[in-house]
Amino acid sequence: GQQVMQIPQYQHVQEGEDFTTYCNSSTTLSNIQWYKQRPGGHPVFLIQLVKSGEVKKQKRLTFQFGEAKKNSSLHITATQTTDVGTYFCAGQGYSSASKIIFGSGTRLSIRP
Amino acid sequence: EAQVTQNPRYLITVTGKKLTVTCSQNMNHEYMSWYRQDPGLGLRQIYYSMNVEVTDKGDVPEGYKVSRKEKRNFPLILESPSPNQTSLYFCASSFRTPGQGGSTDTQYFGPGTRLTVL
Repeated sequence: GQQVMQIPQYQHVQEGEDFTTYCNSSTTLSNIQWYKQRPGGHPVFLIQLVKSGEVKKQKRLTFQFGEAKKNSSLHITATQTTDVGTYFCAGQGYSSASKIIFGSGTRLSIRP
Repeated sequence: EAQVTQNPRYLITVTGKKLTVTCSQNMNHEYMSWYRQDPGLGLRQIYYSMNVEVTDKGDVPEGYKVSRKEKRNFPLILESPSPNQTSLYFCASSFRTPGQGGSTDTQYFGPGTRLTVL
């Protein structure tokens, strides 16, 4: 079945450093979503990418969807302590378009 | 206030004792979904519903049941809970089935239900 792999599992950075998390799908995706979950909280939707090669920015966050629609990345420039949390990608395939497969998440911690 | 609510937030129960976790949304959303979250495994979809009386299995449906008799409610039923169902459960909803692009695909998550089965 469809799988979405996400790396790294953990990332510990100095405040001000950049951070990137990557997702790879075993199958072509119709779209990919990104979520952030603060410690003790629930996932919060960040963005959805639909088009091949799409790049979207939200302030210091840059999201990319690969040309083959099988991989995606989230890059945070100059991290701040408010960026702490776990970042998840979630993909939907074409064959079972209503199912959503989440990556295992990347937990970001930051040294002030 | 637009929100997804879940009850109870915390539950400790024993093996085999039937339980229901309720989920309700006040946003008139068509799509609702249940996930479980376990360390190192991320969120795994249990069941989803594209509209009233339309439900389907997600990735890990075994041991769970759902129903969607009304648009706003999507209860998760564990007929005979077992210790391997100890987990953090999230309900989520979106205006329509995600994947079509646009703001209506945003999934809103409830606060979570932490279930322990002894």
